[in-house]
Amino acid sequence: KNQVEQSPQSLIILEGKNCTLQCNYTVSPFSNLRWYKQDTGRGPVSLTIMTFSENTKSNGRYTATLDADTKQSSLHITASQLSDSASYICVVKGAGNMLTFGGGTRLMVKP
Amino acid sequence: DAGVIQSPRHEVTEMGQEVTLRCKPISGHDYLFWYRQTMMRGLELLIYFNNNVPIDDSGMPEDRFSAKMPNASFSTLKIQPSEPRDSAVYFCASTYRGGGTEAFFGQGTRLTVV
Repeated sequence: KNQVEQSPQSLIILEGKNCTLQCNYTVSPFSNLRWYKQDTGRGPVSLTIMTFSENTKSNGRYTATLDADTKQSSLHITASQLSDSASYICVVKGAGNMLTFGGGTRLMVKP
Repeated sequence: DAGVIQSPRHEVTEMGQEVTLRCKPISGHDYLFWYRQTMMRGLELLIYFNNNVPIDDSGMPEDRFSAKMPNASFSTLKIQPSEPRDSAVYFCASTYRGGGTEAFFGQGTRLTVV
């Protein structure tokens, strides 16, 4: 069964600190992996996309990594800001256009 | 393009009533997805359409749920009769054929069944 597991479920950090969110998946075949950011009361918005051959991709203060061998991805947030407070969802695209969603990590950045 | 448009944004209804959620996908997108999001279960795929045809409805929880896509620019998700456990945020998303495509989400409809 295709699954995407994220950890931690929730995280509280102080403004300016770094943090790393984890995503493990069992989706097969694998097409790509996206990290989405979902602000409270809004729909998810894509941050980064990783394909099989990519190991690292950055989008501003967000850096995503992918290890296709171990089927793990991480999202690193550098110098966190209050606006980073949101849920971060790992989504893996498999066969066709099927998307498997992780449960998300709820991040709270405190001043 | 205004993005994926969902209506209403909020819906409060009494148990047993019929609820209809609406979605207008992004023009040119040929895939449309309906998701339900709760604190306990996260985002769950309910059903998706390709070129207006339902492809996979295995996520639809019960016969009380039905979805239609009469044309490329409109879809509905109906719950009849509604129950308190249906309370959730329902998202519609659209995308287009091609590798690595992003699913674009609407703002969601927050449904509360009392």
